[in-house]
Amino acid sequence: GAVVSQHPSRVICKSGTSVKIECRSLDFQATTMFWYRQFPKQSLMLMATSNEGSKATYEQGVEKDKFLINHASLTLSTLTVTSAHPEDSSFYICSARDFYSLSTDEQFFGPGTRLTVL
Amino acid sequence: KNEVEQSPQNLTAQEGEFITINCSYSVGISALHWLQQHPGGGIVSLFMLSSGKKKHGRLIATINIQEKHSSLHITASHPRDSAVYICAVRPPTDKLIFGTGTRLQVFP
Repeated sequence: GAVVSQHPSRVICKSGTSVKIECRSLDFQATTMFWYRQFPKQSLMLMATSNEGSKATYEQGVEKDKFLINHASLTLSTLTVTSAHPEDSSFYICSARDFYSLSTDEQFFGPGTRLTVL
Repeated sequence: KNEVEQSPQNLTAQEGEFITINCSYSVGISALHWLQQHPGGGIVSLFMLSSGKKKHGRLIATINIQEKHSSLHITASHPRDSAVYICAVRPPTDKLIFGTGTRLQVFP
């Protein structure tokens, strides 16, 4: 099946610094990628939808200046958490949709990135 | 009330038991996903359904569109099946709506 990778898998940073998380589709082209965050024992929450070559669409309540999303190629989207604070500590997961898939419903999930802000 | 409800929230089983996890939803959908999340956090997509039934190894997923209900069955359960199982539906908009998950523990 299609593979999505995320890097890093785990990151610890100091409050006030910025952290970049990469999401790559390894064996397919993804025009659309989704970024989710998950708090402990809670479900995934969609943060934004990233489309290659255009601006991301953010969900209500998600600050676009704090969570910068760049989808510069068909295989890479990045999420940058700017001026991170302890409340940004969470598990961040991306998913990607295969451009050539016959089904627009199919999404492939990355392994997630655990961010801890001290 | 959540648009996607899963039951049970927690489930324990002995190895070899037949397991059923249920998902009910209240919106019109184009597809329903069953996902598996292991303790490390990574998510694996198990099934995507829009009608009927799918089988993969010991896993079976069914969906009844009229009743807005889906079930995930695990036959001959094994400790490695221990994980959180998440139901997610896709309405005709782009966004998946996730259930809160069912935490399964299978003991040897």
